[in-house]
Order: sequence, then structure tokens, then C-alpha cells
Amino acid sequence: GAGVSQSPRYKVAKRGQDVALRCDPISGHVSLFWYQQALGQGPEFLTYFQNEAQLDKSGLPSDRFFAERPEGSVSTLKIQRTQQEDSAVYLCASSLAAWDRSNYGYTFGSGTRLTVV
Amino acid sequence: AQSVTQPDIHITVSEGASLELRCNYSYGATPYLFWYVQSPGQGLQLLLKYFSGDTLVQGIKGFEAEFKRSQSSFNLRKPSVHWSDAAEYFCAASGAGSYQLTFGKGTKLSVIP
Repeated sequence: GAGVSQSPRYKVAKRGQDVALRCDPISGHVSLFWYQQALGQGPEFLTYFQNEAQLDKSGLPSDRFFAERPEGSVSTLKIQRTQQEDSAVYLCASSLAAWDRSNYGYTFGSGTRLTVV
Repeated sequence: AQSVTQPDIHITVSEGASLELRCNYSYGATPYLFWYVQSPGQGLQLLLKYFSGDTLVQGIKGFEAEFKRSQSSFNLRKPSVHWSDAAEYFCAASGAGSYQLTFGKGTKLSVIP
């Protein structure tokens, strides 16, 4: 597609429920990133994939968070046993390469707003 | 620790007035610097970026930013604001060659007709 697509746009989960958030990056984009944006804050890095390899997961806040990109395209961010502090907008971004100086081409999706009640 | 600070949480300007949004960074070396805009329900859109060289950077939608090493600042400016510029603006930085962006908390811009 023309842009990064994320689904669902909104998700309400009961505390303790597991959720899965999907990201469809731009076709052919090698790099994929997940960011978490809490209310009133800037986005914070969660994890980075190069193709199917998860090269950096240093930003994942706990072992309840898990991300995968098994075929190097679509990615899923899974949160187990959701807590209220997980409420945030989860942004996905993709780029042709991890770092492209000519066009720092992160294209962000519109995000999934997760509310844990 | 690396950080990006946007001192103004909310700014209101009149349509047609000039705009300056402040951004300060704290990094060990000069980082790469970016400004993004986020409209409600939308993703982040890159306005402009600075890697090196000319300290005045031109971006899309008539925005520009000036890098000042002595002040560790990268302020965003626009000479005449349009109502459609109302949005939230984020300053971000990354270490040279790093893919990980550090964002400020954002400045919400309101435009009065």
C-alpha cells in the first residue's frame, strides 16, 4: 500500500487480557519500528526489525511485550496480561533501510490507541 | 542521558502571525535532528531534518529550522501561520548513524482565526 497501515485503530482491553496489534509496512521496506506514545508524551522506541530479524528490543517495557515479523513484512506487537499503564498509542514505522541519510524515511502509521480498563 | 526538551506545551498564535517552536537537545555529540507534525488521528509526518552543513534547514509546508550548536537548540519557525498548521509538533533526535529516535514531549499549536 501507499502508507503504513495499522489495525485496529482503537482497542479497549480489560486488565489482564492479551492483545495483538498489527502493522502492515510499506511494501519493500526492510526496516520496521514500534514506538509507544503515552498520553501527553512523545513517542518512545520499543523495538526494531530488519526484515524478519528483531535486532533491537531494548525499549520493550516488560516481558509482557512481544513483537514478531515472521516473514519480514507484517509485524504484530503482542501485549500479554495488559495493565492500565499499557494504555497508549502504539505507532509503527517503516523505512527502506535502517538509516538513509538521503531521505530519513521513517513513514509512520496512524497508530493503534489501546485503552486498558 | 540523551534527551530532547520542548519547553512549551501549548502555543496559540493568530493566523498570519509568525511562529517559533523551541527545541533543545542534550547529547554527547551533535545528533541528527528532526521535526515531525502530528494531526489528530494521524501518524507523524516529517517536516524537516538536519544532519550537518548549513544550519538553516528548509522543510515542507513553509517551515524552516535553525541549528544552533552553542545553544543546543533546533527551533522551528514559520513566517506566517495558516489555520491548517494547528497540530502537535515533535522535535526528535538520534545519534549519528543511529536508527533510534528520541522525541520531545511535543508542543500543541492552536491557531486563532
